[in-house]
Amino acid sequence: NAGVTQTPKFRVLKTGQSMTLLCAQDMNHEYMYWYRQDPGMGLRLIHYSVGEGTTAKGEVPDGYNVSRLKKQNFLLGLESAAPSQTSVYFCASSLGTGPGNTIYFGEGSWLTVV
Amino acid sequence: AQSVTQLDSQVPVFEEAPVELRCNYSSSVSVYLFWYVQYPNQGLQLLLKYLSGSTLVKGINGFEAEFNKSQTSFHLRKPSVHISDTAEYFCAVSGTSYGKLTFGQGTILTVHP
Repeated sequence: NAGVTQTPKFRVLKTGQSMTLLCAQDMNHEYMYWYRQDPGMGLRLIHYSVGEGTTAKGEVPDGYNVSRLKKQNFLLGLESAAPSQTSVYFCASSLGTGPGNTIYFGEGSWLTVV
Repeated sequence: AQSVTQLDSQVPVFEEAPVELRCNYSSSVSVYLFWYVQYPNQGLQLLLKYLSGSTLVKGINGFEAEFNKSQTSFHLRKPSVHISDTAEYFCAVSGTSYGKLTFGQGTILTVHP
């Protein structure tokens, strides 16, 4: 069972470079999320999507863009990477937003910006 | 707006000892509460959740948590820990927008032999 898959798992970028993180889920979930995890700060929501073709800003959206062209994929883009974006990025998905729905997380993508 | 505070950043315990990881939240609306566990280099896994009903919630791996509305707390407990419980634990809350979780800072539980 694949669940939520993130690629790449590790990446080192130079300041100013761009990159895209790919998240894929095979559970036919409507809702998808991108979080970043920083020491001592828990996880913070960057952007989320409530369905194919939709995106919305989360708590810390600046410097990131997202797209949800296909229901199973949610892409997170960094147009011009900055050292402050060094973090671990987690994608997540859920079937719905009702209380019976569990949010499933990917295994994380470690990004270092030098 | 919601916030979550995990009162301990690190908790060291010996194997077979009991443990309590503390979590306090603030919210102006009714909340759903969660505990997630993150093992090294892995994603987050749901331990347990409180949605409604009984304030004592049992989860996987022998963990349980008690929702205390008057103290706005949701502390996680296990009566006897194992080496394999060494991980980082996150308390999280969501309100009406269920999927938009607000996480605490995390508590690193280290179980020593």
